Amino acid sequence: SQQGEEDPQALSIQEGENATMNCSYKTSINNLQWYRQNSGRGLVHLILIRSNEREKHSGRLRVTLDTSKKSSSLLITASRAADTASYFCATVSNAGGTSYGKLTFGQGTILTVHP
Amino acid sequence: DGGITQSPKYLFRKEGQNVTLSCEQNLNHDAMYWYRQDPGQGLRLIYYSQIVNDFQKGDIAEGYSVSREKKESFPLTVTSAQKNPTAFYLCASGGRSGPPKGANVLTFGAGSRLTVL
Repeated sequence: SQQGEEDPQALSIQEGENATMNCSYKTSINNLQWYRQNSGRGLVHLILIRSNEREKHSGRLRVTLDTSKKSSSLLITASRAADTASYFCATVSNAGGTSYGKLTFGQGTILTVHP
Repeated sequence: DGGITQSPKYLFRKEGQNVTLSCEQNLNHDAMYWYRQDPGQGLRLIYYSQIVNDFQKGDIAEGYSVSREKKESFPLTVTSAQKNPTAFYLCASGGRSGPPKGANVLTFGAGSRLTVL
């Protein structure tokens, strides 16, 4: 079963606009991560937010986490055509002790940024 | 360069054949993962391994098998029992020794696209 569900499934914006993607999950987590995938390629890690954090920034990326609502959002500011890709959230659960935990991915949001 | 290598990039299989996808990493990561990606369905976990000679089933393990004889290698065999094997397969690795175990950021390979003829 998919732990993370993302919304919207597709997002189309103009260069310079901000893009916001949301992720909801069902069970308790150790951390939540966002990845990017260009068409036909592997995924690339963008940012990780721990379960005891509420907000994190990295360059033009801003991630929030609300554990009470079991949801996260990824904001890309001042988007560029090169940001066109699919974006996935992934939740890490059951980590601790000798276990790295299990990473479960959502369905992804397809972002298209028009020049 | 450190990284994770998948081969082959493209693979064609006749029905009834087993095929093996290779995954090798030189990142000294303890954990390795296989995911399957179908259009519009995101990534689904097939198998994962956190230590040599040990592995666990993911959400869709039926029709697949793995081995982890070396830390660097985690091959995936798609058996004839897998009824719908046409998909994009992604291997990933993560997790160096030591705490915190939960900070498991994955590095992905470029993927292998399997097509059943």
